[in-house]
Amino acid sequence: DADVTQTPRNRITKTGKRIMLECSQTKGHDRMYWYRQDPGLGLRLIYYSFDVKDINKGEISDGYSVSRQAQAKFSLSLESAIPNQTALYFCATSAGGSQPQHFGDGTRLSIL
Amino acid sequence: SQKIEQNSEALNIQEGKTATLTCNYTNYSPAYLQWYRQDPGRGPVFLLLIRENEKEKRKERLKVTFDTTLKQSLFHITASQPADSATYLCALDNAGNMLTFGGGTRLMVKP
Repeated sequence: DADVTQTPRNRITKTGKRIMLECSQTKGHDRMYWYRQDPGLGLRLIYYSFDVKDINKGEISDGYSVSRQAQAKFSLSLESAIPNQTALYFCATSAGGSQPQHFGDGTRLSIL
Repeated sequence: SQKIEQNSEALNIQEGKTATLTCNYTNYSPAYLQWYRQDPGRGPVFLLLIRENEKEKRKERLKVTFDTTLKQSLFHITASQPADSATYLCALDNAGNMLTFGGGTRLMVKP
């Protein structure tokens, strides 16, 4: 089983809809992150959480919100989706310090 | 402003040759730098980390250099194989496990 699991893997929806992307991990890491990836722009940080009661905005948090329901679960919501939020979304975890980040396989989100 | 640059053009090389990918940065003082590999439809996978006080790091056929004066890291794959074909991302961390990623370079190794 994957250490970092994202659901759904693909989603097509319409402008104005509320969408939730979910991430769960079995690595036991305290730190979790949400990124979006657009062609040529690399990964950009949306939100991150260093423990269950900690939520921090990243570089591009406008239009997004998150919830850290437990150490193992970190969900990303788009309250009212717009077409320019069409992208590939990744969840990642880390043990902190200089430790590497471990990524899920992403959610491909298309907003029409 | 802070910027991380990787060659956005694909790098095409012949099997057996050494692939060299470049990561340049400006307005950063990274404590360390990481390299990741990303295959189509998959998330990035960690390969190597090099700290600011290290010049070079090796792992099997991979070698990373880090020149804080030039503000550049080079990532080398020796004896490249078609299975090495992927997109390679560099990521910088000023401190605290907050990574900023470059746009990635796609490597194509032809048999």
